[in-house]
Amino acid sequence: QKEVEQNSGPLSVPEGAIASLNCTYSDRGSQSFFWYRQYSGKSPELIMSIYSNGDKEDGRFTAQLNKASQYVSLLIRDSQPSDSATYLCAVNESGGSYIPTFGRGTSLIVHP
Amino acid sequence: DTAVSQTPKYLVTQMGNDKSIKCEQNLGHDTMYWYKQDSKKFLKIMFSYNNKELIINETVPNRFSPKSPDKAHLNLHINSLELGDSAVYFCASSQRQEFGKLFFGSGTQLSVL
Repeated sequence: QKEVEQNSGPLSVPEGAIASLNCTYSDRGSQSFFWYRQYSGKSPELIMSIYSNGDKEDGRFTAQLNKASQYVSLLIRDSQPSDSATYLCAVNESGGSYIPTFGRGTSLIVHP
Repeated sequence: DTAVSQTPKYLVTQMGNDKSIKCEQNLGHDTMYWYKQDSKKFLKIMFSYNNKELIINETVPNRFSPKSPDKAHLNLHINSLELGDSAVYFCASSQRQEFGKLFFGSGTQLSVL
């Protein structure tokens, strides 16, 4: 069974620190990787996508992908209290359906 | 001018009832989805429709049935509701070439009593 694993947390970091969120996946043929942010009581919102090994930066966010290790991470620099949310890792399965499989999410708390 | 809208936002009903949740998107996307998010926040795919054809159907009970009158709408019908159906149901849409880049509706909190 194809799985996407995340530590549920909560991950607590002080304001201004770097938050590091991690995700591993089981399907070695996975092609596309996404990070969604979900505030409490709200719907998930796409914040990053990454398709090839290495780093991809967008503002304070950096996604990192290592397909050999089946590992994708999200770094949030200069964390703000407004970044407090659940971060969901999603992976597009290989083999035709291309429907993203979500991890259970990591709860991030940024305290002032 | 909400991109993906679903109604109702809250749905409280008794066991055994039949209910529907409606979803509409105005993004011009050709693929729509229903996801179920349980109390532990696990987001699980239920259905996906592409150009009015079901392209995936996970192992959900046949009490759940998607209905798509056109590519802008994907409604969810649930028959004989059970306690375990209580969850948040999210509608989402995407463009086929960009699978994985989903736009979600605001969710429907279903409570079965």
